[in-house]
Amino acid sequence: GAGVSQSPRYKVAKRGQDVALRCDPISGHVSLFWYQQALGQGPEFLTYFQNEAQLDKSGLPSDRFFAERPEGSVSTLKIQRTQQEDSAVYLCASKGKGVGGEQFFGPGTRLTVL
Amino acid sequence: AQRVTQPEKLLSVFKGAPVELKCNYSYSGSPELFWYVQYSRQRLQLLLRHISRESIKGFTADLNKGETSFHLKKPFAQEEDSAMYYCALERLNSGYSTLTFGKGTMLLVSP
Repeated sequence: GAGVSQSPRYKVAKRGQDVALRCDPISGHVSLFWYQQALGQGPEFLTYFQNEAQLDKSGLPSDRFFAERPEGSVSTLKIQRTQQEDSAVYLCASKGKGVGGEQFFGPGTRLTVL
Repeated sequence: AQRVTQPEKLLSVFKGAPVELKCNYSYSGSPELFWYVQYSRQRLQLLLRHISRESIKGFTADLNKGETSFHLKKPFAQEEDSAMYYCALERLNSGYSTLTFGKGTMLLVSP
């Protein structure tokens, strides 16, 4: 079946622009995670959704970052007034029911802020 | 706070040589650990988790709570093992869990 998909795959933004990154999780997956992966680093947790509820946003680096999942499926990560330090790969992952277990990752969106 | 340390950025070996990718963690709770792998031009995927005690593609990893380690081992490396490997620690919250990743180790297996 289809895995996690993300769009766009690549995004170039000028500093100060707003961007929106989309994630389509595996159908039926309750849990959805967003990660930020800077160059040479491992993925770092940003936020977590259980269905449409955002249960954890402790990893969002600033109030310029906002995520939503209004119908419990597709999720959007929005970054306002982008800055150069926002340049990274943004990964989305989804997981089925239950605590713990394998997360299935999307291909990521590479964001470059000029 | 939980932390995962992978001390080696790059590990280069010849085909047929043994491989050990190191992972150390710090966590106050009962640890659940994973190894994820990313092959060239592919997405991050689960390689193995300690609780399953499986051997995947010839790789094994043993959780050593005394040394707080979860090293990944393979007795005879193959060229197709060349990839980026990430160790990850699962943190349990109220009704859900999140992952903390190490910085990763690039494994290069030469012919």
